[in-house]
Amino acid sequence: DTGVSQDPRHKITKRGQNVTFRCDPISEHNRLYWYRQTLGQGPEFLTYFQNEAQLEKSRLLSDRFSAERPKGSFSTLEIQRTEQGDSAMYLCASSLDAGTNEKLFFGSGTQLSVL
Amino acid sequence: GEDVEQSLFLSVREGDSSVINCTYTDSSSTYLYWYKQEPGAGLQLLTYIFSNMDMKQDQRLTVLLNKKDKHLSLRIADTQTGDSAIYFCAERLNDYKLSFGAGTTVTVRA
Repeated sequence: DTGVSQDPRHKITKRGQNVTFRCDPISEHNRLYWYRQTLGQGPEFLTYFQNEAQLEKSRLLSDRFSAERPKGSFSTLEIQRTEQGDSAMYLCASSLDAGTNEKLFFGSGTQLSVL
Repeated sequence: GEDVEQSLFLSVREGDSSVINCTYTDSSSTYLYWYKQEPGAGLQLLTYIFSNMDMKQDQRLTVLLNKKDKHLSLRIADTQTGDSAIYFCAERLNDYKLSFGAGTTVTVRA
């Protein structure tokens, strides 16, 4: 068990460019989450997958954002036409679907800076 | 409601106890959590408490829950330099969503 892995750790991009982040969850976990954390704030829910199905998306997730989890394993989060307001830490978490006391295990995050 | 509030900073002397406070708004929350975040790292689950409990102890950590006042606290006994981090309180809103506070930065001084 190597934990939740995210790549890259840091990404600097120019406004208007597209970026893609990858998350590899803990291998036996069937749920995968994306959260966003801005400086001085707690993480905010973006979206989650149960296996390969994307079941819920936050209103924070504009049309420029798309997430996939093909085959129910790793996930990617793509941001198109990045804006300065997209600068944040993007956190991935995974869990077993264990009822109301589900425990999330977080990765170290991808820090995005949009110039 | 989805507002979880925490004090922003706490400074404590090494060896003393730390108490971090949190208030939440959703009285139907079933579980409440404490996470720790060290610089450059993701969030680490420290402990949690079910809403029908008043207290939970786990080694140096004690969680107190006052459901009437929607108040949660985390006490760290014998605080060490390695406890310096940001601590997040979170409430479970539903089957898939946690709502986090803004975090309390704990600084342990020698």
